Amino acid sequence: SQELEQSPQSLIVQEGKNLTINCTSSKTLYGLYWYKQKYGEGLIFLMMLQKGGEEKSHEKITAKLDEKKQQSSLHITASQPSHAGIYLCGGGSQGNLIFGKGTKLSVKP
Amino acid sequence: DAGVTQSPTHLIKTRGQQVTLRCSPKSGHDTVSWYQQALGQGPQFIFQYYEEEERQRGNFPDRFSGHQFPNYSSELNVNALLLGDSALYLCASQSSGANVLTFGAGSRLTVL
Repeated sequence: SQELEQSPQSLIVQEGKNLTINCTSSKTLYGLYWYKQKYGEGLIFLMMLQKGGEEKSHEKITAKLDEKKQQSSLHITASQPSHAGIYLCGGGSQGNLIFGKGTKLSVKP
Repeated sequence: DAGVTQSPTHLIKTRGQQVTLRCSPKSGHDTVSWYQQALGQGPQFIFQYYEEEERQRGNFPDRFSGHQFPNYSSELNVNALLLGDSALYLCASQSSGANVLTFGAGSRLTVL
């Protein structure tokens, strides 16, 4: 069965610093989704990647999917306290997603 | 435009009891999926409903069952509750054929 592994498990950064979160799949991904979750709340959709080599950006967040479609990274530029939360990568399609365990991001003002 | 709404937000049950959780999908969405998220873990897919039928199912026992109504809303039922069923239960909706899921805020279930 497919598994998604995220690293690091947690991250504490100073406000204004850049950071990267990684997501590695045990199998080829047909769709890779990044979500953000505030503690105990629902998931907020960030980005979807489907093609090998694809890169998308929204505001200060950039997500990439490698050519082999087994690794993805999420990069935040000039972090802000509003970026704090748990970032989850999910793989799959048709609403049946397998998620990683998440990366907890804390941003110190 | 209301997103996905879930009820109740929190509930406490004892072992052996039964629970029903409810979900109203985002306007325009006709497919509902349910996920279980244990503390410190990622969400796990339970099942998906489309056209009032279970279309896909994850690795969950038969104690977990669901229903979808003609207005696309959905219920998740869990029988014979175990301590390990304590989790945040997330409902997600999508338009059939679309890939992006819209999640609700979840129902937090505590089993004592």
